[in-house]
Amino acid sequence: DVVMTQSPLSLPVTLGQPASISCRSSQSLVHSDGNTYLSWFQQRPGQSPRRLIYKVSNRDSGVPDRFSGSGSGPDFTLEISRVEAEDVGVYYCMQGTHWPWTFGQGTKVEVK
Amino acid sequence: QVQLIQSGAEVKKPGASVKVSCKASGYTFVDYFMHWVRQAPGQGLEWMGRIKINGGGTNSAQKFQGRVTMTRDTSISTAYMELSRLTSDDTAVYYCVRDGGYYDLDYWGQGTLVTVSS
Repeated sequence: DVVMTQSPLSLPVTLGQPASISCRSSQSLVHSDGNTYLSWFQQRPGQSPRRLIYKVSNRDSGVPDRFSGSGSGPDFTLEISRVEAEDVGVYYCMQGTHWPWTFGQGTKVEVK
Repeated sequence: QVQLIQSGAEVKKPGASVKVSCKASGYTFVDYFMHWVRQAPGQGLEWMGRIKINGGGTNSAQKFQGRVTMTRDTSISTAYMELSRLTSDDTAVYYCVRDGGYYDLDYWGQGTLVTVSS
């Protein structure tokens, strides 16, 4: 199975400051169709996860533009340009290129 | 709007089976795969498998093969996941999740807590 390794696992942040989460895959995530299927999810405390980003850098509708995804494999990054209080939670990357789909361990973002 | 409403919490004894339901609304049920993802207490997310609603074909992670059965009833827009031979390691919140169309996941159910305890 493809191993997705996130860092850091805990990220204390100052409101209004930027934050960055890394995700590294153990194999190339380039699909046979040429696309890279790497997504990012946010899970706020007590809630179900919510997709933020798909195909590396495409932001879901309704997701604030302070969230951005980048990378080209094996390293991918989720950036928050200015952290707001509502951004507290756990963030997961997930690859959908290879079966079974696999998630990173999660990065807990909390306010300092 | 898309909604996935799951059945309520369950408590099961080791060795038993559990069946979780997921009723979909707000979209054409047969047009999307449905996935199942679980999350053990305080842990991360684990993809279990998926079902093609139009046809019923399934794929599952190897660790669940032989123990997980995914089905659907298109007449009531409901997907089901049954997990057998439960152990304490199966204690988790189980989510149904709609396929996002880009080899990923978009809409999530509210989750169903399954507790396995003697």
